[in-house]
Amino acid sequence: SAVISQKPSRDICQRGTSLTIQCQVDSQVTMMFWYRQQPGQSLTLIATANQGSEATYESGFVIDKFPISRPNLTFSTLTVSNMSPEDSSIYLCSVAGQGRYGYTFGSGTRLTVV
Amino acid sequence: TQLLEQSPQFLSIQEGENLTVYCNSSSVFSSLQWYRQEPGEGPVLLVTVVTGGEVKKLKRLTFQFGDARKDSSLHITAAQPGDTGLYLCAGVPNAGNNRKLIWGLGTSLAVNP
Repeated sequence: SAVISQKPSRDICQRGTSLTIQCQVDSQVTMMFWYRQQPGQSLTLIATANQGSEATYESGFVIDKFPISRPNLTFSTLTVSNMSPEDSSIYLCSVAGQGRYGYTFGSGTRLTVV
Repeated sequence: TQLLEQSPQFLSIQEGENLTVYCNSSSVFSSLQWYRQEPGEGPVLLVTVVTGGEVKKLKRLTFQFGDARKDSSLHITAAQPGDTGLYLCAGVPNAGNNRKLIWGLGTSLAVNP
């Protein structure tokens, strides 16, 4: 299965600023997924990022707040813009495996907005 | 909208006890995945079940997919402190966008020594 390097692993940010999270995959993948997770809780899909096209956002998430870049088949970034304390969460990137191999996740970015 | 109800949400047990986590839905899934997540890490796939009635074993963990592919269970025998973590089930819908997983709410398990 793929290996994903995600950074930063954690950050504390001032409200009103933006943070860009990076994910690098060790193989080429068509789709990458960005999730948000409150500690100890389930995952909420933010958007699906395809190379060469705009990301597809889930209900409740908009491009102006969470712009995504996907410049090639091994890399993607998620920016959390104009942050508020409500954006404090864990952000995870993921890629789908083939068939039974499930999804592989980055180690997550724990964001605290103060 | 497909939902996957996972229970219990929290579980605190003593080392050596057995436990079962359930994921239930009214919808059919083409497959169902179980993940475990430890603090500071992303979820890690434990198993994927595909066939109705399928049973898979991973050491002390037994996974079962319901005959109708609408539900699944995870049974841990003789739990150990190393089993502590967040367990998540995720289903691949039987129709529509097959790449978008439906996630259960998670079961936070604490195994006390």
